[in-house]
Amino acid sequence: AQSVTQPDIHITVSEGASLELRCNYSYGATPYLFWYVQSPGQGLQLLLKYFSGDTLVQGIKGFEAEFKRSQSSFNLRKPSVHWSDAAEYFCAVAPYNNNDMRFGAGTRLTVKP
Amino acid sequence: EAQVTQNPRYLITVTGKKLTVTCSQNMNHEYMSWYRQDPGLGLRQIYYSMNVEVTDKGDVPEGYKVSRKEKRNFPLILESPSPNQTSLYFCASSPTGRHEQYFGPGTRLTVT
Repeated sequence: AQSVTQPDIHITVSEGASLELRCNYSYGATPYLFWYVQSPGQGLQLLLKYFSGDTLVQGIKGFEAEFKRSQSSFNLRKPSVHWSDAAEYFCAVAPYNNNDMRFGAGTRLTVKP
Repeated sequence: EAQVTQNPRYLITVTGKKLTVTCSQNMNHEYMSWYRQDPGLGLRQIYYSMNVEVTDKGDVPEGYKVSRKEKRNFPLILESPSPNQTSLYFCASSPTGRHEQYFGPGTRLTVT
């Protein structure tokens, strides 16, 4: 069955520390991949996306993500977290042979001072 | 400004009273969708529409209806709301279902 998994429900990091949020998917072929961020009380904002080509993609707010086909993963990273990064992060996939997008359950990020 | 708008933003209603949440986009997108967001469950798709007059069920369509009579509008209809439909609802649009989606600000619905 097609699925998107974000294994970490909640992550806490200290301000200035590095961050990695995990995302794994299960599909028959390489889908289109996305990371969204939802700040408290806000809608969802696109951080970055992968369609094809370079497997390391850069996004807004200093985020990057790496697509690893062999691991069916699309992990989000940031070298130095800021307090304003506290939010919920969603990985999403749009299957190549389908036209609807699926979201992971989300990872809530807390940033300690 | 390119945007997706939803109305109302907040709604408190009673069980069984029909309601409609409107969604409109000004980007000429073909694809529109509705999601509900519940704690611990992330976003779950209710319905989506590939184009005018083309709609299909998502993961959790029970208790909801949609229509797509115009490209820009995609209203969500709850004919007989129940308390388990208390949730945060998001409308989204996309050039196609495989491009990034642009989200509305959300509608927080409480059914008592």
